[in-house]
Amino acid sequence: DAKTTQPNSMESNEEEPVHLPCNHSTISGTDYIHWYRQLPSQGPEYVIHGLTSNVNNRMASLAIAEDRKSSTLILHRATLRDAAVYYCILRDVRGNTPLVFGKGTRLSVIA
Amino acid sequence: GAVVSQHPSRVICKSGTSVKIECRSLDFQATTMFWYRQFPKQSLMLMATSNEGSKATYEQGVEKDKFLINHASLTLSTLTVTSAHPEDSSFYICSATGMGRNVAQHFGDGTRLSIL
Repeated sequence: DAKTTQPNSMESNEEEPVHLPCNHSTISGTDYIHWYRQLPSQGPEYVIHGLTSNVNNRMASLAIAEDRKSSTLILHRATLRDAAVYYCILRDVRGNTPLVFGKGTRLSVIA
Repeated sequence: GAVVSQHPSRVICKSGTSVKIECRSLDFQATTMFWYRQFPKQSLMLMATSNEGSKATYEQGVEKDKFLINHASLTLSTLTVTSAHPEDSSFYICSATGMGRNVAQHFGDGTRLSIL
């Protein structure tokens, strides 16, 4: 799986938007971009995924650069419950391969 | 949505004990299940991939005789840590996927194993 690079940590104020960046310069044409998050003492939770176009769901938005070498997870209004480690993961669309986790970004939300 | 149930959520036991962790898919048939381990302040590390009805595939460095995986049905996989020692203390997490390509991977809430 191609590698992703994320900042180790970020901080946000409550009720402010948060933009979590991810670089994946070696992404291939068959790689989907997945985002998961892990709250303390829990298993990872699916957030969103996309291939080329921007995606929106009830949890977040995913903005994918035109060259697909980077993406940004957008939380429109951070809450204290959004404090977690966010993982950006590439996964080949052609197979049912396991997710390979990097270090992720630890998001702190300040009240 | 799809749910993966993992049991128990926490285990504390003496060194030398064998511990079994169950992972169940509650509303879908899980053709493939994955087992991860997570040490404090670290990311998840894949231990093994388990397909229903066949032997598990272990990642390099993971002892198959130490970590026994059984995936006898489409809704249940078990991980048994045999003769556990303090260095096996960790957070064990399972995940499951259904049939098809690029299907979502759903995670259990993990089992915190503490070996005294």
